Amino acid sequence: AQKVTQAQTEISVVEKEDVTLDCVYETRDTTYYLFWYKQPPSGELVFLIRRNSFDEQNEISGRYSWNFQKSTSSFNFTITASQVVDSAVYFCALSEAGMNRDDKIIFGKGTRLHILP
Amino acid sequence: DTGVSQDPRHKITKRGQNVTFRCDPISEHNRLYWYRQTLGQGPEFLTYFQNEAQLEKSRLLSDRFSAERPKGSFSTLEIQRTEQGDSAMYLCASSLRTGGTDTQYFGPGTRLTVL
Repeated sequence: AQKVTQAQTEISVVEKEDVTLDCVYETRDTTYYLFWYKQPPSGELVFLIRRNSFDEQNEISGRYSWNFQKSTSSFNFTITASQVVDSAVYFCALSEAGMNRDDKIIFGKGTRLHILP
Repeated sequence: DTGVSQDPRHKITKRGQNVTFRCDPISEHNRLYWYRQTLGQGPEFLTYFQNEAQLEKSRLLSDRFSAERPKGSFSTLEIQRTEQGDSAMYLCASSLRTGGTDTQYFGPGTRLTVL
């Protein structure tokens, strides 16, 4: 069965600090997709990144970076120089891949991030 | 291009009443998903459509729940005889399913409170 674990329920850091959100996943599929979504207080889930299981290259987008390690089944997310606007709940997620996939996403329970001014 | 929209944003109802939610996907997106999110949890898959066909339903979707997507455009999710346990955020997402990868884009959700 597929499962996503976000062990950090809540994190608080002071503005401008770096912060890493951990994500560990379980799947029996050999091909799959990993995602991160952001859910600000308004409630809407905002897509951040999708990563194919074949692509272990780390990715950087502005202050955001992602570290995908298949050997440890982890897909961690780092925010550099955090800002108050980064305060939100962040979800790591997983979906199967393949021709007949249904694309339903399995979400972790989320990490609530507080950036203190 | 407008995003996914959902209506209403909030719904308060009494136990036993029926409620219906609407989702308008991003235009030309052929897949539409419904998820439910309870407090402190991540969203959980309920059902999805490819065009007008409902292809899968989660075991979370009891007989009191029904979803439709007539003409493959907007979708409705109806809950009959609501129970307090139905209180949650109901999220809709859409994607363009092609031969390659696709990404689900979510709407703002409908928050249901059953008294």
